[in-house]
Amino acid sequence: AQSVTQLDSQVPVFEEAPVELRCNYSSSVSVYLFWYVQYPNQGLQLLLKYLSGSTLVKGINGFEAEFNKSQTSFHLRKPSVHISDTAEYFCAVTSSGGSYIPPFGRGTSLIVHP
Amino acid sequence: KAGVTQTPRYLIKTRGQQVTLSCSPISGHRSVSWYQQTPGQGLQFLFEYFSETQRNKGNFPGRFSGRQFSNSRSEMNVSTLELGDSALYLCASSPTGYYNQPQHFGDGTRLSIL
Repeated sequence: AQSVTQLDSQVPVFEEAPVELRCNYSSSVSVYLFWYVQYPNQGLQLLLKYLSGSTLVKGINGFEAEFNKSQTSFHLRKPSVHISDTAEYFCAVTSSGGSYIPPFGRGTSLIVHP
Repeated sequence: KAGVTQTPRYLIKTRGQQVTLSCSPISGHRSVSWYQQTPGQGLQFLFEYFSETQRNKGNFPGRFSGRQFSNSRSEMNVSTLELGDSALYLCASSPTGYYNQPQHFGDGTRLSIL
């Protein structure tokens, strides 16, 4: 079965600075990877996904992530954050040979300071 | 296309009561999943329904139950409420729940137990 680990529970950063939110997974088969964002008092919203092909995936709101199979990672990056990026970010992984429902990471709280 | 709709948005109950939460998935989506979100435990998977059948189940007591109707709408019921059931309950839908499909979330029902 696959599992996912988000290494940082909280990431504080100043506005216009770059940010990286880390996600590692464990799976012995091919995986599908997702990043979701949750703004206060809302549900989760898909940011981006990796299904196959190019390992660099671009998503909404200027975010991108890189799939690194050798390091079993799928880190989320943004070159310049905005106050409005303050939210909870969740990484999720599925695999055709594993659990049917995507196990989510514990989430990373991104806090952008002015 | 309308998104996932959850009703009610907020609910206050007392210990021992029971509650029913409702979820209308995106039109055409047949897989509906339920999650419990709390600050301490993160996102916990409750169960998933597909074509009116419970297909996957998380590790929750039998007080938590659900069902799905022929139009894919789903309800979740919690009986004999406990203080620890206070949480945000999220519903998510996808076309078939297959591994490479992202989930589409509603804004949740916030349940408070007094």
